[in-house]
Amino acid sequence: QVQLQESGPGLVKPSETLSLTCTVSGDSMKTNYWSWIRQPPGKGLEYIGYISHNGDINHNPSLKGRATISLDTSNNQFYLKLSSVTAADTAIYYCTRTARLLDFWGHGALVTVSS
Amino acid sequence: DVVMTQSPLSLSVTLGQPASISCRSTQGLVYSDGNTYLHWFQQRPGHSPRRLIYKVSNRDSGVPDRFSGSGSGTDFTLRISSVEAEDVGIYYCMQGTHWPFAFGGGTKVEIK
Repeated sequence: QVQLQESGPGLVKPSETLSLTCTVSGDSMKTNYWSWIRQPPGKGLEYIGYISHNGDINHNPSLKGRATISLDTSNNQFYLKLSSVTAADTAIYYCTRTARLLDFWGHGALVTVSS
Repeated sequence: DVVMTQSPLSLSVTLGQPASISCRSTQGLVYSDGNTYLHWFQQRPGHSPRRLIYKVSNRDSGVPDRFSGSGSGTDFTLRISSVEAEDVGIYYCMQGTHWPFAFGGGTKVEIK
């Protein structure tokens, strides 16, 4: 069974960079695309971006170039960095499998942006 | 960008009664590979989203057959034939055809 687990700091200061890791088990990262989704508290879902092992990467333009997704197939992990964060970036961040289909999701990691 | 609009925003349903959620997109969702990447997700309170239906009408493994999806073009529907207590939550449609991929605003289902 495919499992995804988000990890990273739960609190980030305004203007700093949010960094999250997603650890994948039960699947090879070389056979799929991998994505990040976020959900502000009490609000809907926003697609952040996706990546594949062959270098196909896309970040949502709504984030104005602040998001960077990368991966390390040797560790079965992929990553999200979001720079220059503000309170509006406070959200639960989910990692998911595939880009278009989102068939497996992690439990989510709450990241709060506050000084 | 493609905008996904769901209606209603919320639904209060008597146990055992049917429910229907609409999702409309601002562009057609057929991709160049011939697939329509329109999916439905359920988010129970305190849980991460779970995919119920993929590519319009395909039920995921373990999803009860009271859930069904239909539609084409820009108009799609999720139906619950007989609502049960465990169906309480927020339902989202999502398009994975046109970048940036996007979710609808969600429909909250509660029991009357």
